[in-house]
Amino acid sequence: DGGITQSPKYLFRKEGQNVTLSCEQNLNHDAMYWYRQDPGQGLRLIYYSQIVNDFQKGDIAEGYSVSREKKESFPLTVTSAQKNPTAFYLCASKAQGVYGYTFGSGTRLTVV
Amino acid sequence: AQSVTQLDSHVSVSEGTPVLLRCNYSSSYSPSLFWYVQHPNKGLQLLLKYTSAATLVKGINGFEAEFKKSETSFHLTKPSAHMSDAAEYFCVVTDAGGTSYGKLTFGQGTILTVHP
Repeated sequence: DGGITQSPKYLFRKEGQNVTLSCEQNLNHDAMYWYRQDPGQGLRLIYYSQIVNDFQKGDIAEGYSVSREKKESFPLTVTSAQKNPTAFYLCASKAQGVYGYTFGSGTRLTVV
Repeated sequence: AQSVTQLDSHVSVSEGTPVLLRCNYSSSYSPSLFWYVQHPNKGLQLLLKYTSAATLVKGINGFEAEFKKSETSFHLTKPSAHMSDAAEYFCVVTDAGGTSYGKLTFGQGTILTVHP
């Protein structure tokens, strides 16, 4: 079945460490997105990519980095520069001309 | 279980006329509700949110929505459409209260077209 796979489901990071969250889709979708969810905040856009080898900053890109070397993959790195990284991270994809999004199951990152 | 239904896949209005985007939800608990907008080739932007405070919620760009528990609705309105409002709109529900992450359930989206 087609879908988005995010891994790991839970991730713990020590302060000062970089950590990379994986997002893979087999839907042949062009666009991919990373969102951050904080309690009571809804989703906020971190980065998005409309095409391979191209991506744009979202509303809260500081302290994050991404790459889009393959259509299927859009990994997110949470760097040590991110001041408050503890959150739930959602990856999404969308096909051109198709309504709605497909979301991954999310990764819950906790800084310890 | 929770679900959200956006009743119209397309809405077309003339500039200067009112906008109504309809959303019905189903939730086992007291829900939080959001409306997001996505302009072409952009990511989602939060328009407004309801989190058990005032039932009439005002958002950005002149949009507002009213939470009606008896009708399980959270319709989005704007008194006067502008050309820049043309976009796709998503209604979102979560069962979680303000202190937990919860599962977000998105509606399928409504494409708003604004004619001159």
